[in-house]
Amino acid sequence: SQKIEQNSEALNIQEGKTATLTCNYTNYSPAYLQWYRQDPGRGPVFLLLIRENEKEKRKERLKVTFDTTLKQSLFHITASQPADSATYLCALDGDAGNNRKLIWGLGTSLAVNP
Amino acid sequence: DGGITQSPKYLFRKEGQNVTLSCEQNLNHDAMYWYRQDPGQGLRLIYYSQIVNDFQKGDIAEGYSVSREKKESFPLTVTSAQKNPTAFYLCASTDSGPAYGYTFGSGTRLTVV
Repeated sequence: SQKIEQNSEALNIQEGKTATLTCNYTNYSPAYLQWYRQDPGRGPVFLLLIRENEKEKRKERLKVTFDTTLKQSLFHITASQPADSATYLCALDGDAGNNRKLIWGLGTSLAVNP
Repeated sequence: DGGITQSPKYLFRKEGQNVTLSCEQNLNHDAMYWYRQDPGQGLRLIYYSQIVNDFQKGDIAEGYSVSREKKESFPLTVTSAQKNPTAFYLCASTDSGPAYGYTFGSGTRLTVV
C-alpha cells in the first residue's frame, strides 16, 4: 500500500543553523509533492509545491528537493529562527487535475532554540 | 482578504446528538475537503467535493454527511453513528487545476461529553 514516512522524532536545532526534514514514500509515483507548516491548534499552511520533473525549488529561506529515484524529498530551512518552530507536513499528489486527493505524512516537529 | 472560515472553533456534543460544522470560503475554489486529525495520526479524508451539488466519500466517511449546495459552503454533519467523534476537524479548499496547494481553515475541535 502507499506509504509516506517523515522523521518521527522531533528535530531540535540551534538558531541560525539549517534544518533538514525528510519525506520518504513507497508504492507511489506522485506527480507533485507539497510541504505544509502546522502550528498547534491551527490548520496547515501551504509552503511549497514541487513537480516530479523538478529537482529543486526555493522560496526565501526554504528549499525543497525531489528525488523520484530515491523516492524522497528533503525540506531545508536555512538561517533558522525560533519562529520556524512548528510541525512540517509532507503530502503527495498523484492525480493533479483529477480528484486532487492528497496523501499525508504524519509530520515532523521542529524546535529552533535561541 | 480571501480565506476559509470554520466555525465554531470549539464544539461539545452529547452522546446521540448530531452536530454540524461550518466551512465557508471566499476564494472561488471549486474543490473542498473535510479532514479529521487525531494525535499521532495523519490527516484522514472524510469527504470531498469538486463541484457544486456533487461530493465523494473519503477514507473514513462512515458516521458523517456533507452537502454542497453553494460553491462557497461545505458543511459537515457528525452524526450519532460516528462512534468516536472527538477530534480536530479541518476544512480545506483548492483550485481544481493542477499544482495548487490547499488552503485550510483554522479547524474545529469537537469533544463528546
